[in-house]
Amino acid sequence: RKEVEQDPGPFNVPEGATVAFNCTYSNSASQSFFWYRQDCRKEPKLLMSVYSSGNEDGRFTAQLNRASQYISLLIRDSKLSDSATYLCVVTDKLIFGTGTRLQVFP
Amino acid sequence: ETGVTQTPRHLVMGMTNKKSLKCEQHLGHNAMYWYKQSAKKPLELMFVYSLEERVENNSVPSRFSPECPNSSHLFLHLHTLQPEDSALYLCASSQDWGLGETQYFGPGTRLLVL
Repeated sequence: RKEVEQDPGPFNVPEGATVAFNCTYSNSASQSFFWYRQDCRKEPKLLMSVYSSGNEDGRFTAQLNRASQYISLLIRDSKLSDSATYLCVVTDKLIFGTGTRLQVFP
Repeated sequence: ETGVTQTPRHLVMGMTNKKSLKCEQHLGHNAMYWYKQSAKKPLELMFVYSLEERVENNSVPSRFSPECPNSSHLFLHLHTLQPEDSALYLCASSQDWGLGETQYFGPGTRLLVL
């Protein structure tokens, strides 16, 4: 099993839709998780960190499920500008997932 | 802008060449990183420097040689590379080396080895 796994997608959703991605991790002792966003041919940029209690920033919500060893990212009211690849990372060992590609269409 | 710059942005080299990638951060951070990003693969951590000392070396072939002369600059020296080394090489920095540190990435150097 890979240490960090993501569904590569692509997820094709219309504007205004709600979409969710999961990222599973294999090491139950992992403590720190982030979501990064990477636009095509650009560098990754921090989107948000993931706390045990959940973390919400506008249309974005990140959650951690320790029992099932996954983190999730929920995007509400999708915008065209949300189209990107979303990378999860277990920061304990700086292990990134392959990313989930999101394409929002008009 | 993220405050992390990389040069060159694109590089084509033959397998017998020697070249260097340069990274500079203007954020006053203490930790710097090299990553490799290949198509359809996750970012792979190559090296970590904290306060100019190497703290991580993830089984990277010796044809990649990092150098950190000060906390603002990081180099990756390349020699006798293979075609499978063609990838995007990303530099990143963070305030410190440790759990939960936010990393700031440079734009990357896109390397093609012929």
